[in-house]
Amino acid sequence: KAGVTQTPRYLIKTRGQQVTLSCSPISGHRSVSWYQQTPGQGLQFLFEYFSETQRNKGNFPGRFSGRQFSNSRSEMNVSTLELGDSALYLCASSLGQTNEKLFFGSGTQLSVL
Amino acid sequence: GEDVEQSLFLSVREGDSSVINCTYTDSSSTYLYWYKQEPGAGLQLLTYIFSNMDMKQDQRLTVLLNKKDKHLSLRIADTQTGDSAIYFCAESDPALIFGKGTTLSVSS
Repeated sequence: KAGVTQTPRYLIKTRGQQVTLSCSPISGHRSVSWYQQTPGQGLQFLFEYFSETQRNKGNFPGRFSGRQFSNSRSEMNVSTLELGDSALYLCASSLGQTNEKLFFGSGTQLSVL
Repeated sequence: GEDVEQSLFLSVREGDSSVINCTYTDSSSTYLYWYKQEPGAGLQLLTYIFSNMDMKQDQRLTVLLNKKDKHLSLRIADTQTGDSAIYFCAESDPALIFGKGTTLSVSS
């Protein structure tokens, strides 16, 4: 079974631009969660989608948004990029039950110049 | 709010045991997790423990849970150079709340 796939692997953007990251979950998984990883703040939860609906949300500004499609693939979008948005963005999938194990992708490394 | 604390670094010699410690705050967490991250990679689930258990063993890995003190530890027996990585503990709330990670360095 293929693992969680994130594209692209690396991205370089400039301040003020927007960016879209993609995540394909493990086949059969219906929940997709997104995390931001930075050296200073560590791993922080962005949001979780289940059956195309946002089920849980972390404490990030509205510039960070996401969506999930009927095939469970998910995208996250960051608008008006800031230097501080430079991070590794990790996607994780699960079947969607409470307290389930999450399986992570390799991440998208975003650099904002 | 919830917070998960870990020591930042641990250095051991190959063949020794490694013990990585973690404290958490949310006593309602049903599961507690240990993840491993190698350079340039995502997080790999190593093991987890149900909150009503005291100990769980999985090959070279032993997880100990002290619910009274909200203390979780991961012991790696016969540590190998391939175990060098960052180890994260996490509690579920229900989203995972991670510690800052412990960098394990194994020297030969």
